[in-house]
Amino acid sequence: ILNVEQSPQSLHVQEGDSTNFTCSFPSSNFYALHWYRWETAKSPEALFVMTLNGDEKKKGRISATLNTKEGYSYLYIKGSQPEDSATYLCAFNAGGTSYGKLTFGQGTILTVHP
Amino acid sequence: EPEVTQTPSHQVTQMGQEVILRCVPISNHLYFYWYRQILGQKVEFLVSFYNNEISEKSEIFDDQFSVERPDGSNFTLKIRSTKLEDSAMYFCASRGRTMRAEAFFGQGTRLTVV
Repeated sequence: ILNVEQSPQSLHVQEGDSTNFTCSFPSSNFYALHWYRWETAKSPEALFVMTLNGDEKKKGRISATLNTKEGYSYLYIKGSQPEDSATYLCAFNAGGTSYGKLTFGQGTILTVHP
Repeated sequence: EPEVTQTPSHQVTQMGQEVILRCVPISNHLYFYWYRQILGQKVEFLVSFYNNEISEKSEIFDDQFSVERPDGSNFTLKIRSTKLEDSAMYFCASRGRTMRAEAFFGQGTRLTVV
């Protein structure tokens, strides 16, 4: 059974703070690691798909890094804004015959206070 | 921008009744999935569908569950005889031509079994 863990479970920050969260995943049979942003009553929105060890990706104030050898990824948000408040999910995509099945972590709930 | 749409957004059903959850994936996508999230738990994989057949299913996806893509556009999940423990948010997702690409999710159907 694949285990994907995220920490912390929830985070409260002030507007303007920078923050980061962790996703840990199995270091074997790696195919891709996905980050999603999920606001209540909306579809989970893909942020990044990371495939190569050492990958760093950036979208505006949000960036992510990947270490497949040790099985972790970090998501960073620089200068958090209230509109960044959401649940951030990571999902592991194993190789082999998984047909792209995603195994999710439990999510980090971010609340940014004005 | 293309999106995955799910109907209904909320369904309440009596235990033992059959329900059909409907999804319209993105039109040129090849891989289709159902996931669910029971309140307070991780998003969990149910089934993947490729080339008009089930490519993988989880232990949860027992004989009470079935999927269909009857007309090349809709993708449905049927639960034959609902149980209380089937109450969850059900998400449909689709993916384009590679299993590494991002998966696009619908906004979910909240199923409540009473």
